[in-house]
Amino acid sequence: DTEVTQTPKHLVMGMTNKKSLKCEQHMGHRAMYWYKQKAKKPPELMFVYSYEKLSINESVPSRFSPECPNSSLLNLHLHALQPEDSALYLCASSQVPWGATNTGELFFGEGSRLTVL
Amino acid sequence: AQTVTQSQPEMSVQEAETVTLSCTYDTSENNYYLFWYKQPPSRQMILVIRQEAYKQQNATENRFSVNFQKAAKSFSLKISDSQLGDTAMYFCAFMKQRSGAGSYQLTFGKGTKLSVIP
Repeated sequence: DTEVTQTPKHLVMGMTNKKSLKCEQHMGHRAMYWYKQKAKKPPELMFVYSYEKLSINESVPSRFSPECPNSSLLNLHLHALQPEDSALYLCASSQVPWGATNTGELFFGEGSRLTVL
Repeated sequence: AQTVTQSQPEMSVQEAETVTLSCTYDTSENNYYLFWYKQPPSRQMILVIRQEAYKQQNATENRFSVNFQKAAKSFSLKISDSQLGDTAMYFCAFMKQRSGAGSYQLTFGKGTKLSVIP
């Protein structure tokens, strides 16, 4: 199984809503990532979890709250978002640590398309 | 900080022809990976090919091959016998291990939109 599964595929929310994005992988990867991608732009890193602990937060506003309940799951909780937060949110996972048998590849999900009204 | 530059925002190629996408990067690291990822309109980012920096031999994956010039910090992608399914955004990416974080830092270029014309 080389899949990263993201739900929902599409989400529309108002600025006062609270919603969550979910990501799941069963490849035994211990690093999981959230990326934000605006139209016609490359993905931008938001958060990284390594061994279920938050290791990188790229100065993301607190209205985005990540959570890693276990080694297979990654959530992104959304609250009081702004219209400019509308984007494709990509989840990815990878092996760690760096080593001879590690390909270094990030496996991406299909993304969750978020629209904030 | 690492930078990845893709100087061709858009390219087109006739079906069955060959096309080369260019990528340059800037780093002071010696141990890193380079990737080409493909993102079709269906939006899932898919790995096309990878290259370890310590390997001199250029990576090849079926119709896809790279020209890796480490000294010049250049990493171009050649697609042979182009197919309609190759139509996508192609991102060149640089990866290094992020020290102390137990994870990787993947830096993307801005992408090249490739259209394969029937």
